[in-house]
Amino acid sequence: DAKTTQPTSMDCAEGRAANLPCNHSTISGNEYVYWYRQIHSQGPQYIIHGLKNNETNEMASLIITEDRKSSTLILPHATLRDTAVYYCIVSSGTASKLTFGTGTRLQVTL
Amino acid sequence: DVKVTQSSRYLVKRTGEKVFLECVQDMDHENMFWYRQDPGLGLRLIYFSYDVKMKEKGDIPEGYSVSREKKERFSLILESASTNQTSMYLCASSPIDPGQIKYVRNTGELFFGEGSRLTVL
Repeated sequence: DAKTTQPTSMDCAEGRAANLPCNHSTISGNEYVYWYRQIHSQGPQYIIHGLKNNETNEMASLIITEDRKSSTLILPHATLRDTAVYYCIVSSGTASKLTFGTGTRLQVTL
Repeated sequence: DVKVTQSSRYLVKRTGEKVFLECVQDMDHENMFWYRQDPGLGLRLIYFSYDVKMKEKGDIPEGYSVSREKKERFSLILESASTNQTSMYLCASSPIDPGQIKYVRNTGELFFGEGSRLTVL
């Protein structure tokens, strides 16, 4: 599975959009981009995933560049409860493995 | 809502003890996983199972074994606990995509439990 690169940490003001970038320049054609987050002292939580097209659900939007070498997770109106570590994962989805790296620590502030 | 329940949030054991970590899911998922999480290392896959009595090694299986006798339950076993197994252990489950070849892929959507923090003294 392709490796991802994310910033170690980011800050965002409450009510503003949080844009979390992820680079995955070695992604292959059958690999999906997944986003999870982990709030302190809890297990990770699935947010969204996509292959080529942009995706939106009730939690977030996922924007994937046309060459698929990078993506951005957008939380449109960040709240304090969105403070968490966000993981970008690239995987072909075979039965085993989503490899979680160290993610981006998002701090939402007043 | 999908619920993945881990039997203990906090455990303290002594070196050499046998440790059982239990995980139960209530959504009839085929796939179940055990990860451990350590500071600076992220989550690392220990074992996973895609069916009853089936298991596959993950990235760090050494020192661990697993058991899946029933679909809803996946147990992680430390035969002889050591101090380097002090960690947060996370269980997860996921369904298989309908129409996909069984055992080949899942949806990638994992549902995690709240974790079991094990300290080995």
